[in-house]
Amino acid sequence: EAGVAQSPRYKIIEKRQSVAFWCNPISGHATLYWYQQILGQGPKLLIQFQNNGVVDDSQLPKDRFSAERLKGVDSTLKIQPAKLEDSAVYLCASMLEPGASYNEQFFGPGTRLTVL
Amino acid sequence: GDSVTQMEGPVTLSEEAFLTINCTYTATGYPSLFWYVQYPGEGLQLLLKATKADDKGSNKGFEATYRKETTSFHLEKGSVQVSDSAVYFCALSGNQFYFGTGTSLTVIP
Repeated sequence: EAGVAQSPRYKIIEKRQSVAFWCNPISGHATLYWYQQILGQGPKLLIQFQNNGVVDDSQLPKDRFSAERLKGVDSTLKIQPAKLEDSAVYLCASMLEPGASYNEQFFGPGTRLTVL
Repeated sequence: GDSVTQMEGPVTLSEEAFLTINCTYTATGYPSLFWYVQYPGEGLQLLLKATKADDKGSNKGFEATYRKETTSFHLEKGSVQVSDSAVYFCALSGNQFYFGTGTSLTVIP
C-alpha cells in the first residue's frame, strides 16, 4: 500500500512570495489533515478535511493560508504572501474512518519550507 | 481545552539503558492516546496507542499505559538501542489531534 505522498520535499522562497504544497493521501482515506511543525515544536493542526469538505480550519491563518481538496482526494495548501515565521515543515496526514478518534493518522514525509 | 505536556529533552542514553519519557494530558471526555516517532529525515510514524483507561499499548519493546487517575501516558522501554534514536511525540485524539512538543532521544553505543 502506497503511503501519503507530498511534494515538494524542500522549498526555499523569499518573504512575500507565494508557495503551494501538494498532498496525495492513502487511497480510500476520507480524512485529510495539514499540520505545521515549527522547529522544536510538535505539529499544529492547520486544517482538517472530510472528503472535500472542511471540518476544522480554526487554526488556519486565513489571511494568507488557503487549502482545498476539490475532488475529495489530493489536496493543496497555499501560502500567499509568505512571512519569515512560516518557515516550518508542513505535514499532510490521512485517516481511513471519518471521526473515529482511535484510528491512526498516516503521515507523509513533509515539505520543509524556508522563507528568507 | 485539550492539551498534552511532554517531558522536555534532549535525552541521551547509553545502549541498553532504561528509557522513560513522561507525558501528561488534559482533556474533556475520554480521548485516545498515542505515541508517534520521527526518525531522522522521515515522517511521523505511529509507535503505539491506547483507546481507554488502563489499556497498555506496546510495540518494538516500547510500552505505555493509559492512566486516567494520573492523566498520564508515559513511554517506557527496558533496553534502548542505537536505532531508537529519534524524536518521540505524545498525542491525544479528542475534538482534535493534539501533539506534545516532542522529546529527542539519542542512544550512544
